[in-house]
Amino acid sequence: QSALTQPPSASGSPGQSVTISCTGTSSDVGGYKYVSWYQQHPGKAPKFMIYEVSKRPSGVPDRFAGSKSGNTASLTVSGLQAEDEADYYCSSYADSNTWVFGGGTKLTVL
Amino acid sequence: QLQLQESGPGLVKPSETLSLTCSVSGGSISSGDYLWGWIRQPPGKGLEWIGSVYYSGSTYGNPSLKSRVTVSVDTSKNQFSLKLSSVTAADTAVYFCARHGRVCSGTNCFAFDIWGQGTMVTVSS
Repeated sequence: QSALTQPPSASGSPGQSVTISCTGTSSDVGGYKYVSWYQQHPGKAPKFMIYEVSKRPSGVPDRFAGSKSGNTASLTVSGLQAEDEADYYCSSYADSNTWVFGGGTKLTVL
Repeated sequence: QLQLQESGPGLVKPSETLSLTCSVSGGSISSGDYLWGWIRQPPGKGLEWIGSVYYSGSTYGNPSLKSRVTVSVDTSKNQFSLKLSSVTAADTAVYFCARHGRVCSGTNCFAFDIWGQGTMVTVSS
C-alpha cells in the first residue's frame, strides 16, 4: 500500500486561491469517491475538512472545496487567510477495506 | 460530544510490544456504522493508517504492518486498543486514535471525523 502523492509545499498570498493535488491509483482515489481532506496545525490533531471528495462537514467554511478527476483529487482554498497556514493531508478508502493517506502538503500564507 | 483519548507508555524498548488504549467518552463505541482506528505520524512526517476495529471485533489492517498489529475492542469499557509487536526506532511516532465511517451516512463517508489529541511514543533502549 503506497501513500498518496501530494506536493510537499504550496503557498499563496492572503485573499488568493491555492490548490493542492493528491494523486493515487485506480485502487484508491480513482476507484472510489471516498476521498477526504484534513488540516493539521503544528502540535495538533488533524481536523476533518472534506469527505466524499467535495462535501464539507458542518462548520467548515465554504472557502474549502474538493474535487476529483481520474486518479487525482484536489483541495482548493479560496480567499486565503492567515489561519489557513497548516499542513493538509488527503486520504482515500482503498481496495480490501483499507485506508491510505497522502504525504502531506505544507501550506504557507505569504 | 464524542471525545477520544489515547493512553499508554511514552517509551518502549526495541523488540518489545507497544500497547496503547483509546478511551471513548460522550457516546457509545457500539453505536452507529463507525470503525475505530489508529493512525501514526513519525516526527516531521506524514500520517499513516495502522488499523481499525468494529465494535463486533472485526478488524482491518494496513498490509505493510498487519503482521505486527493487533487492534481490539472492549465494549464494556468503551475502549479500543492497539498492540504493535517487535518495535524498532522506525515506530517512533505520535499515535492518534480516531473514529471513521464504515459506510456512507449523511455526514460521513469512510472519513476520519473525530480524533484524539495523540500520544508520543518513543522506541529507545
